[in-house]
Amino acid sequence: EPEVTQTPSHQVTQMGQEVILRCVPISNHLYFYWYRQILGQKVEFLVSFYNNEISEKSEIFDDQFSVERPDGSNFTLKIRSTKLEDSAMYFCASSWGNTGELFFGEGSRLTVL
Amino acid sequence: QKEVEQNSGPLSVPEGAIASLNCTYSDRGSQSFFWYRQYSGKSPELIMSIYSNGDKEDGRFTAQLNKASQYVSLLIRDSQPSDSATYLCAVNIPSNTGKLIFGQGTTLQVKP
Repeated sequence: EPEVTQTPSHQVTQMGQEVILRCVPISNHLYFYWYRQILGQKVEFLVSFYNNEISEKSEIFDDQFSVERPDGSNFTLKIRSTKLEDSAMYFCASSWGNTGELFFGEGSRLTVL
Repeated sequence: QKEVEQNSGPLSVPEGAIASLNCTYSDRGSQSFFWYRQYSGKSPELIMSIYSNGDKEDGRFTAQLNKASQYVSLLIRDSQPSDSATYLCAVNIPSNTGKLIFGQGTTLQVKP
């Protein structure tokens, strides 16, 4: 069964460092997303991406965040200068259509020290 | 602020019973509603989507939607210990997008 894959599964970084989280969405999907979940809290929308551009972003997705689809398969989330409060599980998701029926990857746990 | 509210639980039911999970939402213009299941330490997994008032059944799962009351529910019949997880209610705002607003989830415990 096709799945969304994410790497790394866990990354530990120092505050102020840059982090890149990688995702390979399901191959025939057209819409790509990043969500995050701080431990014990709700799953929160960060950004959606379609046709090689951001289609929507949340207030959380400020200038320190960026997304890119550098080739036909990868979808990345970059955090330029990490803060303690960026510690969370980051989920990549994809969908074929522009609906809420999303397929999530297993997540990348980011720990900022 | 658009909100989705759920009772965090835990909701404990015996094996074989019906589990009833509830969700309310604040945006009256919402059109599409989703139930995701999240096992501890894992990612959300879509169980059901519902777009029209009434009931939608899929196996042991039934989603119910009442737009007038801004209320969505999920019934799990013949609950199994493997159903023990956190159930997330989600609404896409704006409609017809993949931007989901999630509730905090209801933790279900099914006891053998």
